[in-house]
Amino acid sequence: DAKTTQPTSMDCAEGRAANLPCNHSTISGNEYVYWYRQIHSQGPQYIIHGLKNNETNEMASLIITEDRKSSTLILPHATLRDTAVYYCIVRDQGAQKLVFGQGTRLTINP
Amino acid sequence: GAVVSQHPSRVICKSGTSVKIECRSLDFQATTMFWYRQFPKQSLMLMATSNEGSKATYEQGVEKDKFLINHASLTLSTLTVTSAHPEDSSFYICSARETLSENTIYFGEGSWLTVV
Repeated sequence: DAKTTQPTSMDCAEGRAANLPCNHSTISGNEYVYWYRQIHSQGPQYIIHGLKNNETNEMASLIITEDRKSSTLILPHATLRDTAVYYCIVRDQGAQKLVFGQGTRLTINP
Repeated sequence: GAVVSQHPSRVICKSGTSVKIECRSLDFQATTMFWYRQFPKQSLMLMATSNEGSKATYEQGVEKDKFLINHASLTLSTLTVTSAHPEDSSFYICSARETLSENTIYFGEGSWLTVV
């Protein structure tokens, strides 16, 4: 799997949009960008994934740059319950496994 | 999303004993399941990939005789930590690959193992 780079930590005020960046400059054409988050002492939760088009679901939006070398996960109205470690992972959809990096520890402040 | 369940969520065992953790896909069939281990303040480390009806594939450095994985059905995989020692105390997480729609991987809630 291609390597991703994420900031170690970020803070965001409750109610504001949280924008989490991810660099994946070596991504190949058939690799998707996946986002998961892990709230303390729980298993990772799937958030969203995309190939090259922007994606939106009930949890978040994923913006992928045209060259696909980076992406941004957007939580539009962050709440305290969004405090978690967010992992950006690139993966060939036909591939079996997910390999986790260190992720971004997002803290939502009241 | 699809649901993956682990049991038990917490277990304490004595050194030298074995402990089994179950991972079930509740609403989909999973031909492939994965087992991870996570130590405090660290990321998830993939231990092994299990395919239904065949032997698991272990990551480098993971002892296959110590961490026995069985994937006997399309909805159940088990991890048995044999002859557990205190250093095996960790958070063990399973995941399953949902292959019918978009090949997304979903995770269980995790199991805390404490070896005393």
